[in-house]
Amino acid sequence: EDKVVQSPLSLVVHEGDTVTLNCSYEVTNFRSLLWYKQEKKAPTFLFMLTSSGIEKKSGRLSSILDKKELSSILNITATQTGDSAIYLCAEPAGGTSYGKLTFGQGTILTVHP
Amino acid sequence: NAGVTQTPKFRILKIGQSMTLQCTQDMNHNYMYWYRQDPGMGLKLIYYSVGAGITDKGEVPNGYNVSRSTTEDFPLRLELAAPSQTSVYFCASKRGETGDSGNTIYFGEGSWLTVV
Repeated sequence: EDKVVQSPLSLVVHEGDTVTLNCSYEVTNFRSLLWYKQEKKAPTFLFMLTSSGIEKKSGRLSSILDKKELSSILNITATQTGDSAIYLCAEPAGGTSYGKLTFGQGTILTVHP
Repeated sequence: NAGVTQTPKFRILKIGQSMTLQCTQDMNHNYMYWYRQDPGMGLKLIYYSVGAGITDKGEVPNGYNVSRSTTEDFPLRLELAAPSQTSVYFCASKRGETGDSGNTIYFGEGSWLTVV
């Protein structure tokens, strides 16, 4: 059974801080790892990392996949209060072609002014 | 752009009642999913469908049923509501298999269900 574990479960920082969120996975037939941001409603897609695309960046957010360590990190630099959210990582369960996702528990990030 | 639309957004049920959460998407996506999210937890897959007429169980299917009579609609049925089904429910859809856009899943805005 595939497993995705995130840490820390919660994090409180002040604006301007840099944070690193962790995601480790134990899966069969790795295909991809996805990062989502969830603010009170549905998760919104951030990044997808694959064997051929192990590093992604968008503005202040960046993510790296470490296939050797079976893990990924999500970095947020110069945090803003709008970054407060739950950050979820997920992977297609069992490497299936149907895109069923196994999610981690999420990291609750709170950014204070 | 409607995307994935879920109704109702909020509902309170009494134990033993039945209800259907509606989900429709207008993107002609083949794959559709129902997830539930309990407080402080990630999402868990209830049921999924790879096309009209085809459904299959996910990780936590007990107490739920689904049908997929059209490409657009994927309703989730709770037959005998129990307090353990208090959760936020997300419907999602996915286009296909290849490329970044094919691997991204589009979520509805969620349905908050409380069983008392």
